[in-house]
Amino acid sequence: GAGVSQSPRYKVAKRGQDVALRCDPISGHVSLFWYQQALGQGPEFLTYFQNEAQLDKSGLPSDRFFAERPEGSVSTLKIQRTQQEDSAVYLCASSLEHSPYSPLHFGNGTRLTVT
Amino acid sequence: DQQVKQNSPSLSVQEGRISILNCDYTNSMFDYFLWYKKYPAEGPTFLISISSIKDKNEDGRFTVFLNKSAKHLSLHIVPSQPGDSAVYFCAAVGSNFGNEKLTFGTGTRLTIIP
Repeated sequence: GAGVSQSPRYKVAKRGQDVALRCDPISGHVSLFWYQQALGQGPEFLTYFQNEAQLDKSGLPSDRFFAERPEGSVSTLKIQRTQQEDSAVYLCASSLEHSPYSPLHFGNGTRLTVT
Repeated sequence: DQQVKQNSPSLSVQEGRISILNCDYTNSMFDYFLWYKKYPAEGPTFLISISSIKDKNEDGRFTVFLNKSAKHLSLHIVPSQPGDSAVYFCAAVGSNFGNEKLTFGTGTRLTIIP
């Protein structure tokens, strides 16, 4: 496909379970971002990769959150021991260049509900 | 600390009229601003952007205005169409920050009334 693909679209987890969210960026896109969007809020930055290098993880809310992009393409966001406050839509975005002027292309997100 | 603010959660506009969405920011290091549009159950899509060296950028029915002294920008849609009904997010970035991290506002839900 031509766009950013995220899976699963919906995930329900019981409190304490681990989850893994997958992002397939647009082919050839250098930069990859993860954002968290709570209900009624704007997307909030979690972490950023340039190719396989994680350049900024300052937005990860706790050490239960971990992201990787080992080969510089597909990325996985892992949340360990999920809590209710982790319930949100997790958005992945990619951009062609390492530049603040390169628009982000977002996937449709994964809606995580922790019960 | 909300560095990008959209103080109107919602806005309703008659079809054919002008829609004006507003955004304020507090960080004077922001120098590039973007608007994204979001339909339900989809990710945001890029709409239009403006650099701080300009005060206006136009793309078809969409115009963004930037007032640096007031730390304010606005998005004008003329004429408004039913397909414009969506949530609009304002976002900002500083080119000197060393990364491309966007800071988003909380969004304004625009409803175009036929």
